[in-house]
Amino acid sequence: QQQVKQSPQSLIVQKGGISIINCAYENTAFDYFPWYQQFPGKGPALLIAIRPDVSEKKEGRFTISFNKSAKQFSLHIMDSQPGDSATYFCAAGSGAGSYQLTFGKGTKLSVIP
Amino acid sequence: SQTIHQWPATLVQPVGSPLSLECTVEGTSNPNLYWYRQAAGRGLQLLFYSVGIGQISSEVPQNLSASRPQDRQFILSSKKLLLSDSGFYLCAWTSASPNYGYTFGSGTRLTVV
Repeated sequence: QQQVKQSPQSLIVQKGGISIINCAYENTAFDYFPWYQQFPGKGPALLIAIRPDVSEKKEGRFTISFNKSAKQFSLHIMDSQPGDSATYFCAAGSGAGSYQLTFGKGTKLSVIP
Repeated sequence: SQTIHQWPATLVQPVGSPLSLECTVEGTSNPNLYWYRQAAGRGLQLLFYSVGIGQISSEVPQNLSASRPQDRQFILSSKKLLLSDSGFYLCAWTSASPNYGYTFGSGTRLTVV
């Protein structure tokens, strides 16, 4: 019940295209859903996050879509650029007695020119 | 502003040698602290977390231990390294408030030879 399932494992997108990464969760107590971006040899960095009271959040070219009833959320990267090539992790957390984020297994995104 | 420091950046150690990785956080008090390990091309494995001085929770039984001697200091140790301890070690912190986002350090690349 604590798992966050992330897909796909890897993704190749043409420059200018849309990258879509999906995550699903089971624990209805989760109330915070961040996405992290990790470049090789670096620590993950918070990219964008959403709480379940909204269905979508947009920051620049990055958008989180959230479907509470389906317990799914996704990251959309519009106009994907080679500089977006990185590993992306979704995560879910709850303040209800737990101090941990549960991470997906990651998606390696490659944006080709 | 808050910052997290993690060192060393890279480390090559022989099998059977001890290990000590240090992580410190500045600009906050009573943070939740975490140690993660990331194998090459893999996801984030939670090793230990701490919600206060001297309070350590272990997620995975293994050859490693953690200590929190001061409020903003988190140390990962081993008495005798194994080849399987090689990996990318990440420290992270979050506030104990409802902001659940982690901030990761820059990581330590450990190679056991």
